[in-house]
Amino acid sequence: QQQVKQSPQSLIVQKGGISIINCAYENTAFDYFPWYQQFPGKGPALLIAIRPDVSEKKEGRFTISFNKSAKQFSLHIMDSQPGDSATYFCAAEAGANNLFFGTGTRLTVIP
Amino acid sequence: EAGVTQSPTHLIKTRGQQATLRCSPISGHTSVYWYQQALGLGLQFLLWYDEGEERNRGNFPPRFSGRQFPNYSSELNVNALELEDSALYLCASSLGDRPGTDTQYFGPGTRLTVL
Repeated sequence: QQQVKQSPQSLIVQKGGISIINCAYENTAFDYFPWYQQFPGKGPALLIAIRPDVSEKKEGRFTISFNKSAKQFSLHIMDSQPGDSATYFCAAEAGANNLFFGTGTRLTVIP
Repeated sequence: EAGVTQSPTHLIKTRGQQATLRCSPISGHTSVYWYQQALGLGLQFLLWYDEGEERNRGNFPPRFSGRQFPNYSSELNVNALELEDSALYLCASSLGDRPGTDTQYFGPGTRLTVL
């Protein structure tokens, strides 16, 4: 059973456009929601993370929007660049250092 | 500063054999995590070790086991290999002192292929 559902599976965006990836969860015990970026041949790297006491967190071109009542959170990449082309994973944790990952979104940014 | 390292990069085994995967955490990190990344399934949590002890285990059969050594490096053993064990196995490490907010840093993974 997938604890965190992620969509879309793949995404193609023009350079300069906005990339949006969505995740949903059911377990209300989750209290930490990181996003990871993975390039081919590399392990995932933490991109940005949020806790449920805030509705939005922004770091440069990357923004997490969090809707606690809907149990959904999303990653927005503004002014998407070809270098952003990677697989993105959302994740959730309930305090036992046990991260539950989404199935990943392969983002391709076309020049 | 060196990141998380894993060896070997690739491992090819046949059904029924045993596989041993190794991980060295970032210097100063005491927690080590193992994940399985199978195609289309994202990352599945396998094991968490901290200070030499197994702290948490994911929903995997007992033939997946491991240990953490006094220098905090770790080993993942997979016994009686099955075809569906073919996957990328990722190791991550963290400081281990703040459960729930401890950033996990990942290694490049070991690609295990079971024939």
